[in-house]
Amino acid sequence: GQQLNQSPQSMFIQEGEDVSMNCTSSSIFNTWLWYKQDPGEGPVLLIALYKAGELTSNGRLTAQFGITRKDSFLNISASIPSDVGIYFCAGLRKTSYDKVIFGPGTSLSVIP
Amino acid sequence: KAGVTQTPRYLIKTRGQQVTLSCSPISGHRSVSWYQQTPGQGLQFLFEYFSETQRNKGNFPGRFSGRQFSNSRSEMNVSTLELGDSALYLCASSLVVAGGSETQYFGPGTRLLVL
Repeated sequence: GQQLNQSPQSMFIQEGEDVSMNCTSSSIFNTWLWYKQDPGEGPVLLIALYKAGELTSNGRLTAQFGITRKDSFLNISASIPSDVGIYFCAGLRKTSYDKVIFGPGTSLSVIP
Repeated sequence: KAGVTQTPRYLIKTRGQQVTLSCSPISGHRSVSWYQQTPGQGLQFLFEYFSETQRNKGNFPGRFSGRQFSNSRSEMNVSTLELGDSALYLCASSLVVAGGSETQYFGPGTRLLVL
């Protein structure tokens, strides 16, 4: 099936540093969603993007919907220990098959 | 508003058995999607139900089925369980916002272990 490329696969950063991760695809999406998942729990929605070029912030998080509609990035500023987890991007489109595609995730570790 | 709830949270079954998982969406959400999450395959879309009808379907065998009730609650059934069905099964309910865009909110998941 369709795949999303998400990079980096994992990151080890110092507390206070900024983080950047992105998702790319060969397909166009109508919506980009960014989630954070803690072990054993379901993903929690962080940011939703609905229009190409849209830049949205949620506290220390900022995400953008790429102009080509084939990519999106997520930035986390001034990281803190509770930012640890796996971050997933998801692309949505209005089709009957492969409607929602998730990236493989970026594992973030924050060193205090 | 209460979030998406899933029951049970943990389940152990043996090969060949069947299992039914339940999901209650956020109040007012009419769309429910199911996903399978495994370390090797990541998050994979199973199917989506809207107004009691299956609207979208992923690439899974017919052993995986679901249904949605008039109150939007959904159940997912897996028959003839295989070892490879061990996974975290996630349910997400959707709210369609202005312009037809959609946002999915996930439940905590049901951890299924097949022995």
